[in-house]
Amino acid sequence: EAGVAQSPRYKIIEKRQSVAFWCNPISGHATLYWYQQILGQGPKLLIQFQNNGVVDDSQLPKDRFSAERLKGVDSTLKIQPAKLEDSAVYLCASSWGTGGGEQYFGPGTRLTVT
Amino acid sequence: KNQVEQSPQSLIILEGKNCTLQCNYTVSPFSNLRWYKQDTGRGPVSLTIMTFSENTKSNGRYTATLDADTKQSSLHITASQLSDSASYICVVSALPREGNTPLVFGKGTRLSVIA
Repeated sequence: EAGVAQSPRYKIIEKRQSVAFWCNPISGHATLYWYQQILGQGPKLLIQFQNNGVVDDSQLPKDRFSAERLKGVDSTLKIQPAKLEDSAVYLCASSWGTGGGEQYFGPGTRLTVT
Repeated sequence: KNQVEQSPQSLIILEGKNCTLQCNYTVSPFSNLRWYKQDTGRGPVSLTIMTFSENTKSNGRYTATLDADTKQSSLHITASQLSDSASYICVVSALPREGNTPLVFGKGTRLSVIA
């Protein structure tokens, strides 16, 4: 079974630039999550999709972050404009449903904002 | 406020030794608790999951315990190997609310196993 795929694996940008991350979840998984993990901390949920609808985006900084999941499969997370404090690893995870089931994580995208 | 606290923040042990990592939580109402292993540069991978009625769960050299009364969990690693060097994250799930199941992540314990 193929795992969660993410790209790019690394990205370096200057502040005020824009960046986009891509995630392809495990086939058949209805729920997709984007997390932000700052160095030395646990992941923080940014947004959760059920199919192509948003379930929870309460911690997403909507003035600069946006995400979409077209057709309920792949997803993209965008930051525009980036700030220094956005430097982190962005993890994508997927699961069958939202009932506390197992979440499978991708390798993450490490973003450095200079 | 739902929180998960882990200790120690970091730990260095010699290869072959045992160690125990701690997790205290205040998440309510409680659904389940997971321990994840996160290798450097990788996403977290689930080691164990325990519900309210379970007080111990093993996965090879990893044994997790849960005391739902005191809201504490531990992860014991036996006969550590160099490949055990990673961050170990405790994650507590609350009961579903409005169709969603919020997860609360700890900050993790960074374990280094040295030869």
